[in-house]
Amino acid sequence: SQKIEQNSEALNIQEGKTATLTCNYTNYSPAYLQWYRQDPGRGPVFLLLIRENEKEKRKERLKVTFDTTLKQSLFHITASQPADSATYLCALPVSSGSARQLTFGSGTQLTVLP
Amino acid sequence: DAGITQSPRHKVTETGTPVTLRCHQTENHRYMYWYRQDPGHGLRLIHYSYGVKDTDKGEVSDGYSVSRSKTEDFLLTLESATSSQTSVYFCAISEFGQAVEYNEQFFGPGTRLTVL
Repeated sequence: SQKIEQNSEALNIQEGKTATLTCNYTNYSPAYLQWYRQDPGRGPVFLLLIRENEKEKRKERLKVTFDTTLKQSLFHITASQPADSATYLCALPVSSGSARQLTFGSGTQLTVLP
Repeated sequence: DAGITQSPRHKVTETGTPVTLRCHQTENHRYMYWYRQDPGHGLRLIHYSYGVKDTDKGEVSDGYSVSRSKTEDFLLTLESATSSQTSVYFCAISEFGQAVEYNEQFFGPGTRLTVL
């Protein structure tokens, strides 16, 4: 089954800068990868999905890249704001035969300092 | 929270007692999931359902059972709660479809369970 590693340290950045979060995976290359945001005391909220044949995907100030050779996804938040402070999770299918089951990384806690 | 409710939201119980958590959805989504979230482990799948009366085990299913008698309800039961089952439990749903976009999961607000 898939294993995921995200930035293990909390990430602090200044407002206005670009935050870059990393998601590395082992084993097979997934058909897609997802990113979620989780605020304290709440359930995760879906942000973006990127397919294996897509190098990059954008949504407003968010950008996700997917490098199947490196087995890595990068999640960027440009012009970051204090409201972007949250934990960000990446998620992949558990295995090639279980596209409906996701495995989640433990998340990266991002703090945007004013 | 995309028409998903969980009950109770908080529960404190004692070791050895049975506990049932309920997830209710109004979205008519086919897939429903139960996760637990613990510090350092992230979200881990306990059980999931792909239709009424159709369920399967996830990564950490030992000590848990589930039932789904209606599309809208998915119950998680701890037959005899242990302190290691102290956690935050999330229910999630997703739609049915061949496109990977249907695998977006919508999460409920969570249930914080403490087993003393």
